[in-house]
Amino acid sequence: DAGITQSPRHKVTETGTPVTLRCHQTENHRYMYWYRQDPGHGLRLIHYSYGVKDTDKGEVSDGYSVSRSKTEDFLLTLESATSSQTSVYFCAISGADRGYEQYFGPGTRLTVT
Amino acid sequence: ELKVEQNPLFLSMQEGKNYTIYCNYSTTSDRLYWYRQDPGKSLESLFVLLSNGAVKQEGRLMASLDTKARLSTLHITAAVHDLSATYFCAVDLPGNQFYFGTGTSLTVIP
Repeated sequence: DAGITQSPRHKVTETGTPVTLRCHQTENHRYMYWYRQDPGHGLRLIHYSYGVKDTDKGEVSDGYSVSRSKTEDFLLTLESATSSQTSVYFCAISGADRGYEQYFGPGTRLTVT
Repeated sequence: ELKVEQNPLFLSMQEGKNYTIYCNYSTTSDRLYWYRQDPGKSLESLFVLLSNGAVKQEGRLMASLDTKARLSTLHITAAVHDLSATYFCAVDLPGNQFYFGTGTSLTVIP
């Protein structure tokens, strides 16, 4: 299995509070991604990174920010959580080997009350 | 806006039968991926298709890609219960942005 972990694995928070999710990899892959998964929508890309300090928006980036100060860590921050951000969040990594195949982390279940 | 459509969304099939899941996408791409997700679990990579006409097979699953038709298929041969899962296709755009289909929930009935 690809070395990719997410923390926390579960979190319950209140509306309006900031939340940071962490993705950590040991594979030295260049690309890292944050997705959210909701019923009926599949996976939707929030933000992605193509190198240290190099990030870009995905299709559902509003209300989220990211940072990547080291190759191995990619942080997703909800500045002020809303109930619509209740979801399962997956981190993924990919590199040039195997055609940029993505490897997924175990996921973080976030509930905003 | 890129659209990735899978059909069917739900599939219930008997053990031993064959079936095909379809993945259509709306823009040019030479790279398509298939993933499997078990309930409550993460996604597992099944196939990476990198060119027109690519065909990959693993056990009872076979995936193919027709970039001109913007279509990929995932064929299931002689289904068994262990194949019950949700299957996703994903398209890769330049810049390595991935767009996923909404998934096909497969249930194999004994």
